[in-house]
Amino acid sequence: EIVLTQSPATLSVSPGDRATLSCRASQSLSGKLAWYQQTPGQAPRLLIYGTSIRATGIPARFSGSGSGTEFTLTITSLQSEDSAVYYCQQYKSWPPGRAFGQGTKVEIK
Amino acid sequence: QVQLVASGGGVVQPGTSLRLSCVASGFTFTDHAIHWVRQAPGKGLEGVAIVSYDGNNIYYADFVRGRFTASRDNSKNTVYLQIKSLRDEDTAVYYCARSPYAIASAAYFDNWGQGTLVTVSS
Repeated sequence: EIVLTQSPATLSVSPGDRATLSCRASQSLSGKLAWYQQTPGQAPRLLIYGTSIRATGIPARFSGSGSGTEFTLTITSLQSEDSAVYYCQQYKSWPPGRAFGQGTKVEIK
Repeated sequence: QVQLVASGGGVVQPGTSLRLSCVASGFTFTDHAIHWVRQAPGKGLEGVAIVSYDGNNIYYADFVRGRFTASRDNSKNTVYLQIKSLRDEDTAVYYCARSPYAIASAAYFDNWGQGTLVTVSS
């Protein structure tokens, strides 16, 4: 079973700065990693899939990178609306119950 | 536009049953598997079940242990999740989410419903 570990748990960043979020997998994902953004009271929104492909309508300041077991979500020029919890998710294998990391909360100073 | 509307949640007593529904619109329903994902209050996301495009292949997370039954009715563009013997730990927002694939497989989710809250409490 693949386990995802996200770090840090919380990230406090000033507007206009860059945020770098990490997701580490317990085994290789062959690029099958997605990132989601969840604001309070809302459903998650797909940001990135296939490690680095932006979903429809996602601004270019969101970018994904990585390979093997190490992945990164980078948000440049942070804006107030980027305050959210960000989850990584692997879709290489089952079971579906443990596909998500525990989340990183991004706070805007 | 793509829409998934989940409903059927509420406050229920432990040991009872509930059926959640997810009605889809704005896309060809039979081109996509649909997943159920839940989120306990203040916690992370947890996959629950996957229903293939035709409803013939359904897979569950390990913790389900026979209490959950997922299904779909393509004539109504609707996916269901029946939960029996509800427990306190089933309290969560239940989301339906669209897979980009038709088959029931591990997938990312390109569209999500707004979720329906199930609260198990005596």
